Amino acid sequence: DSGVTQTPKHLITATGQRVTLRCSPRSGDLSVYWYQQSLDQGLQFLIQYYNGEERAKGNILERFSAQQFPDLHSELNLSSLELGDSALYFCASSVSIRIRENTEAFFGQGTRLTVV
Amino acid sequence: AQTVTQSQPEMSVQEAETVTLSCTYDTSESDYYLFWYKQPPSRQMILVIRQEAYKQQNATENRFSVNFQKAAKSFSLKISDSQLGDAAMYFCAYRSAIGDKIIFGKGTRLHILP
Repeated sequence: DSGVTQTPKHLITATGQRVTLRCSPRSGDLSVYWYQQSLDQGLQFLIQYYNGEERAKGNILERFSAQQFPDLHSELNLSSLELGDSALYFCASSVSIRIRENTEAFFGQGTRLTVV
Repeated sequence: AQTVTQSQPEMSVQEAETVTLSCTYDTSESDYYLFWYKQPPSRQMILVIRQEAYKQQNATENRFSVNFQKAAKSFSLKISDSQLGDAAMYFCAYRSAIGDKIIFGKGTRLHILP
């Protein structure tokens, strides 16, 4: 168990709809990352938050948005869903980079989104 | 911008043999961290090994070791005594010490032949 919790595990929704994916990071981790993994593809970096503020942005579509709340949990909002948005969405958390040890990201189990 | 390249989409190795997975990266930074993650069929992302760029010694974790060549920007993973449970997708990842972003290569699918 990585300590990162993602809900829901599975989500099936129709095109044009909006969904919210939730992530609770490991206790004490300030950084939260979101990644998208389409079938048999690599991990596409979407966005990173650090202590409530956006830190880095990847190839995140304008239809997608995210935020990190004061309790450090994060939500990824996907709207106007298309068939191509079907993927596994991972959340990961890590300690501050100022801590030189254990700098890896810990991953949740992912949310499998199916758009029909 | 940093990039991570894994040039081997798929590899196969006989059980109990040794296999090396390649990874190269591009960066202008001198301080960073490198990782290998394993993704089995369950799709869970599991850390295999980490390497700090400021450390010259190559990291090892049991049957897993890396060959870190900082000047060449190369970070290969060696798996010794391959086991059936090693069959998975392996991702190389780079973490900037400045921007804090973590980026991944496209992965190498490793098959273990019994």
